[in-house]
Amino acid sequence: DVKVTQSSRYLVKRTGEKVFLECVQDMDHENMFWYRQDPGLGLRLIYFSYDVKMKEKGDIPEGYSVSREKKERFSLILESASTNQTSMYLCATLGIERGSNQPQHFGDGTRLSIL
Amino acid sequence: RKEVEQDPGPFNVPEGATVAFNCTYSNSASQSFFWYRQDCRKEPKLLMSVYSSGNEDGRFTAQLNRASQYISLLIRDSKLSDSATYLCVVNQAGTALIFGKGTTLSVSS
Repeated sequence: DVKVTQSSRYLVKRTGEKVFLECVQDMDHENMFWYRQDPGLGLRLIYFSYDVKMKEKGDIPEGYSVSREKKERFSLILESASTNQTSMYLCATLGIERGSNQPQHFGDGTRLSIL
Repeated sequence: RKEVEQDPGPFNVPEGATVAFNCTYSNSASQSFFWYRQDCRKEPKLLMSVYSSGNEDGRFTAQLNRASQYISLLIRDSKLSDSATYLCVVNQAGTALIFGKGTTLSVSS
């Protein structure tokens, strides 16, 4: 089974702090994703990475950056946290296999509160 | 038009009922289709992939209509434990999965 581990289940930070959310996967998947999920808005893609040191903006990248220095680790960075970044953050991975549907595998999520 | 649209519900049904969820997607180049289940305050988990010929897994049946760009999920003999939010998910090759906002199901005794 794929294991996707997010560093914290719950996190409380202050406005203006730099916040790091870490995600580690053990299945050698090329693709990794960061989403946030808010009531009524569903899952929204922040950034994704399809290889080490590669990153692509998702639908809502503003206020965030990412780092993928190693294949197994994908970090989401809030450069200067703001209260509207209070949310549930979900990391996911996706492997590449020809000719078959590929689902994503999610971590448990991090509930981040910015005070 | 939103890329993946679902009726948000909630669908409130008694145990034993049959319930169907529908989903439409806008990009005809979409290649892979899934239904995920998400319990309250938990991460989404894959329920089943959706294949062109339709597929069944126990009480769950998924259908895909590429011409109409429409996906469905049928749940027979609903159980209390089926209460959750069901997410329709679509993938275009080389891009991230696109999630619908989910349909909430509540099964009561």
